[in-house]
Amino acid sequence: SAVISQKPSRDICQRGTSLTIQCQVDSQVTMMFWYRQQPGQSLTLIATANQGSEATYESGFVIDKFPISRPNLTFSTLTVSNMSPEDSSIYLCSYRREESYGYTFGSGTRLTVV
Amino acid sequence: SQKIEQNSEALNIQEGKTATLTCNYTNYSPAYLQWYRQDPGRGPVFLLLIRENEKEKRKERLKVTFDTTLKQSLFHITASQPADSATYLCALDKGGGSNYKLTFGKGTLLTVNP
Repeated sequence: SAVISQKPSRDICQRGTSLTIQCQVDSQVTMMFWYRQQPGQSLTLIATANQGSEATYESGFVIDKFPISRPNLTFSTLTVSNMSPEDSSIYLCSYRREESYGYTFGSGTRLTVV
Repeated sequence: SQKIEQNSEALNIQEGKTATLTCNYTNYSPAYLQWYRQDPGRGPVFLLLIRENEKEKRKERLKVTFDTTLKQSLFHITASQPADSATYLCALDKGGGSNYKLTFGKGTLLTVNP
């Protein structure tokens, strides 16, 4: 299966600023996903990103706060905008494997907002 | 609303024994049920997938059962080893076009004692 690289691995940011997280896959994939994992919680889907169309956001997540880009079939970014301490979390990207229907995840970005 | 419950937050077993983890769900009709392993500071790693029309799946020391009537999956690790210590996540996927996305349980932290 394709390897997925995510960066940065961690960051400490000031409130009110924005952070862009990048995910690169070493082969073309159709569907990419962005998740949030808050401390002690499970993963929650933020949005699905398909190339050539706008991202589809889950309930409770909006484009102004979490804009997503998917310029091609190997790359996606998630921006966390106008951050507050409540945004402190781990953010993960993933893609769905066509051959097995399992999902491959990046190693995550640990974000701390101070 | 949809709910996925992994009935143990933590499970401690002795090396060599079989670990059994449980996943129950309500208000959901998944096409696929998946199990993932997550180590601290890492993204989830896909282990096994079982389809709605399958009862059991095996892979090396891992076995998954799926009962759509009970809305339950059991995940077994036989001959457990300390290296199996991790958080195990149950995830449901409705499948099919825009429905492809994972919904996760909170996970069970498995500790295998030597």
